[in-house]
Amino acid sequence: NAGVTQTPKFQVLKTGQSMTLQCAQDMNHEYMSWYRQDPGMGLRLIHYSVGAGITDQGEVPNGYNVSRSTTEDFPLRLLSAAPSQTSVYFCASSYSGTKNEKLFFGSGTQLSVL
Amino acid sequence: SQQGEEDPQALSIQEGENATMNCSYKTSINNLQWYRQNSGRGLVHLILIRSNEREKHSGRLRVTLDTSKKSSSLLITASRAADTASYFCATAPWGQNFVFGPGTRLSVLP
Repeated sequence: NAGVTQTPKFQVLKTGQSMTLQCAQDMNHEYMSWYRQDPGMGLRLIHYSVGAGITDQGEVPNGYNVSRSTTEDFPLRLLSAAPSQTSVYFCASSYSGTKNEKLFFGSGTQLSVL
Repeated sequence: SQQGEEDPQALSIQEGENATMNCSYKTSINNLQWYRQNSGRGLVHLILIRSNEREKHSGRLRVTLDTSKKSSSLLITASRAADTASYFCATAPWGQNFVFGPGTRLSVLP
């Protein structure tokens, strides 16, 4: 099993550009989520999904969209990138849809918005 | 302010010493978890302790939970240089998503 795979690892965008961060897991996990990590802030939840076709907002959803058409994939879309979205983004999944179980993390995407 | 906060923010010890870091939180929780993050990598799950448990062990790790004080501690015994990383506590309020603290940066010097 590859676990949770995120692409790309690094990305530089100009203000106003859009892009999609990819996340895929091969563990048949119901729960998937996106976090951003900023210095001194810990991880903050952007969006999450408890199963295919179901998504919901986390703590910091503005400027981001998600969809969950399959169990395996959970892409994160930046609609119009802003410098405030410069961060490291992590996708995580867990086997249960109850939100509270052990999370498996991807290796992250470092995004810079100029 | 954050649901979970680790203390200290940074800790530097010699190899072979024990490392203790603490986590405080504000609301009732279902469980509390500790994660490790090596520089430039994703987080790795270390241990989960449920609200009805007081102590758990996993190898050189010992976690305690005091729900009356809303606090947890992570003890790493006989530390090694490979333990150098950031450690995060994640609290899970009932029926809600995890909340992560800002982390403790541990440096283990050879």
